[in-house]
Amino acid sequence: DSGVTQTPKHLITATGQRVTLRCSPRSGDLSVYWYQQSLDQGLQFLIQYYNGEERAKGNILERFSAQQFPDLHSELNLSSLELGDSALYFCASNRELQETQYFGPGTRLLVL
Amino acid sequence: SQQGEEDPQALSIQEGENATMNCSYKTSINNLQWYRQNSGRGLVHLILIRSNEREKHSGRLRVTLDTSKKSSSLLITASRAADTASYFCATVETGANSKLTFGKGITLSVRP
Repeated sequence: DSGVTQTPKHLITATGQRVTLRCSPRSGDLSVYWYQQSLDQGLQFLIQYYNGEERAKGNILERFSAQQFPDLHSELNLSSLELGDSALYFCASNRELQETQYFGPGTRLLVL
Repeated sequence: SQQGEEDPQALSIQEGENATMNCSYKTSINNLQWYRQNSGRGLVHLILIRSNEREKHSGRLRVTLDTSKKSSSLLITASRAADTASYFCATVETGANSKLTFGKGITLSVRP
């Protein structure tokens, strides 16, 4: 158990819908990262927050957004969902930047 | 985009044998990390090696890093059936960005 929690574990929805994925980092970790894992793209970095502020952006679609709240939990919002958005979404956290990232169990999203 | 290229893509060995997995990357790095993923589950951090380190050990794991060749290897000694999983190398590039850039992964099967 990494100490990072993600909810929900599974999500099934329809195209065009909007979903919110939630992540609670390990106690004391200020940085949260979001990654997407799909069969065709592999593991891709989406976005990073540090102590409430966006720090880095990767291959994140404009339909996707994220935020980190004062209690340091983070949410990833996916809207206007397409079939190709079906993937595993992981969040990770760490205390010191550029050090080990601890991953949550992921949210498996299926868009039908 | 993915930076790491693991080799081989798949490896099948007998329990008790050693497994060697290789990773190459393209840019200058701060550190390189190896992760394990059991069938569609979360990523488990195995080991981190910094750019100024050449070799690191952790239990049955041995990691080497050759920054001149931009490559790393992960050796698992005396493999067990429970080592069956996908293994990913991930790099943190030099600079302020602390995101992980993953390779495509190696599927290791350890036959009992």
